[in-house]
Amino acid sequence: RKEVEQDPGPFNVPEGATVAFNCTYSNSASQSFFWYRQDCRKEPKLLMSVYSSGNEDGRFTAQLNRASQYISLLIRDSKLSDSATYLCVVISTGFQKLVFGTGTRLLVSP
Amino acid sequence: DAGVIQSPRHEVTEMGQEVTLRCKPISGHNSLFWYRQTMMRGLELLIYFNNNVPIDDSGMPEDRFSAKMPNASFSTLKIQPSEPRDSAVYFCASSLRRGAEYFGPGTRLTVT
Repeated sequence: RKEVEQDPGPFNVPEGATVAFNCTYSNSASQSFFWYRQDCRKEPKLLMSVYSSGNEDGRFTAQLNRASQYISLLIRDSKLSDSATYLCVVISTGFQKLVFGTGTRLLVSP
Repeated sequence: DAGVIQSPRHEVTEMGQEVTLRCKPISGHNSLFWYRQTMMRGLELLIYFNNNVPIDDSGMPEDRFSAKMPNASFSTLKIQPSEPRDSAVYFCASSLRRGAEYFGPGTRLTVT
């Protein structure tokens, strides 16, 4: 079983829609969580950290469910520019290295 | 700030040749990472350095791969000899805080 798993998608949504992605992790000792965004043929970029109490950054909301070992990303009012691959990232205690999911592809259409 | 700089951006080489990828991290960042990305395996950490010292190289595929960081502003990843299965995009990233990693634009390597 992979340490971090994501639905590869693609998720096809119209502009203005709300879309949510989940990501599951297998190591219960994982302590830090992030979402990165990667545009086609570009490098990954940090989108936001994920805090235990959940956090929001504009149209983006991230949540953590430790009991079920998953994190989620909600995007409201989708824009064409949100089209990208969203990577779930986990850091496990003691390993101190980022483990990336394979990403969920989002396509926002006019 | 110029961000993380990588060179070359593209490299096409024949099987058996030596390949050297270069990275200049963001000034002041104390950690540097080398990743490899393929469609099949996604983004994999190869090695990371903290204060120029290799901390974890468990992701380095085999002895054909080696990485160095002679000073805080430069690192290399070398593949010798290269094989077609090494074809991938290689990213270098640097950070001051775990999780907040800044990636370079990557080197797209093709080994024929």
